[in-house]
Amino acid sequence: GAVVSQHPSRVICKSGTSVKIECRSLDFQATTMFWYRQFPKQSLMLMATSNEGSKATYEQGVEKDKFLINHASLTLSTLTVTSAHPEDSSFYICSARRGEPYNEQFFGPGTRLTVL
Amino acid sequence: SQQGEEDPQALSIQEGENATMNCSYKTSINNLQWYRQNSGRGLVHLILIRSNEREKHSGRLRVTLDTSKKSSSLLITASRAADTASYFCAPFGNEKLTFGTGTRLTIIP
Repeated sequence: GAVVSQHPSRVICKSGTSVKIECRSLDFQATTMFWYRQFPKQSLMLMATSNEGSKATYEQGVEKDKFLINHASLTLSTLTVTSAHPEDSSFYICSARRGEPYNEQFFGPGTRLTVL
Repeated sequence: SQQGEEDPQALSIQEGENATMNCSYKTSINNLQWYRQNSGRGLVHLILIRSNEREKHSGRLRVTLDTSKKSSSLLITASRAADTASYFCAPFGNEKLTFGTGTRLTIIP
């Protein structure tokens, strides 16, 4: 399968700081990229959908000013958690869709964010 | 978007046995994808089956799709300890993938 990388894999930060997470599709161009979060023992929750060169579409209840998404190219999307608080501690997973005719969607390895 | 509902929620079998997981969904789809997630890791793409396909194989995996019943199944044959993970189905219409709670598979050595 295709490869999606995510960096960093783990980050610990102080409350009030901002954290940027990068997501790259390494061997294909992604028409659309997605950001999910996952709390312990729960399923993945979709946060937002982004297309290259346009604004991200956020799911209901997700604050767009807190979770900034920049889809700079067909292979790179970034998620910035601004003014992080302990309740933002979670597992963040990005995903990239390959597009027609496959429409397969591949996931990164995830980023564990801990806010102290 | 729609999410699949996996059944059973949890499954424990002896190593070497076959494991079958089921997925149901509600509206029409273009394809359905199955994923595996090990604890604390991202999702691994296992297989994609298109709406005009009825069965697909990949190694020890066999996926079926019945669009009339809006259901799919994932069969893992000759299970191994490394197959212990959560498994998710993701029916895809034309927008975004969302996920249910998955099937937690435990292979007992």
